[in-house]
Amino acid sequence: EAGVTQFPSHSVIEKGQTVTLRCDPISGHDNLYWYRRVMGKEIKFLLHFVKESKQDESGMPNNRFLAERTGGTYSTLKVQPAELEDSGVYFCASSHDRVSGNTIYFGEGSWLTVV
Amino acid sequence: SQQGEEDPQALSIQEGENATMNCSYKTSINNLQWYRQNSGRGLVHLILIRSNEREKHSGRLRVTLDTSKKSSSLLITASRAADTASYFCAMNSGGYQKVTFGTGTKLQVIP
Repeated sequence: EAGVTQFPSHSVIEKGQTVTLRCDPISGHDNLYWYRRVMGKEIKFLLHFVKESKQDESGMPNNRFLAERTGGTYSTLKVQPAELEDSGVYFCASSHDRVSGNTIYFGEGSWLTVV
Repeated sequence: SQQGEEDPQALSIQEGENATMNCSYKTSINNLQWYRQNSGRGLVHLILIRSNEREKHSGRLRVTLDTSKKSSSLLITASRAADTASYFCAMNSGGYQKVTFGTGTKLQVIP
């Protein structure tokens, strides 16, 4: 069974440009999450999809970040325009059940550098 | 908020020794998960312990949970150089599976 896959694995863009990160969850997982870790800081929650619906987007830092999950399969996280402080690693994760108790599986992360 | 605190922040041990990392949290939880992150890599799930469990084992890993003290510990026995990584606890509270991460412990195992 394939795990959570993320693309691109690494991206270097200039300030003001746009970057779109993609996440493919484990097949059959309704729950999809985005987290990020900026340099030296803790891993922070961004948002949670249940199928195609945003269940919780309380962690999204500002309106430069847009997440979508059309059709309830893969998800994209767009940063537009990117700022220097957006540099960090963006993790996607998925899990099976809505009710807590199941393992959350993470991808390898998309490492973003804004210069 | 549920921010978890881990200690120590960094730990350096010799290969073969045991490593213990502690995690404390603030509000009641449904479960707690431990993850490992090797440098430049993703988060690897190690073990999940539910709020009604007190101890779980997986290979060389032993996790305990004390809900009265709102704390958990991860013990790695007979450490290996390949165990060098950052270790995070992640707490789940409430009805959904969103987890909140601890601050992490950076473990170095010296060959």
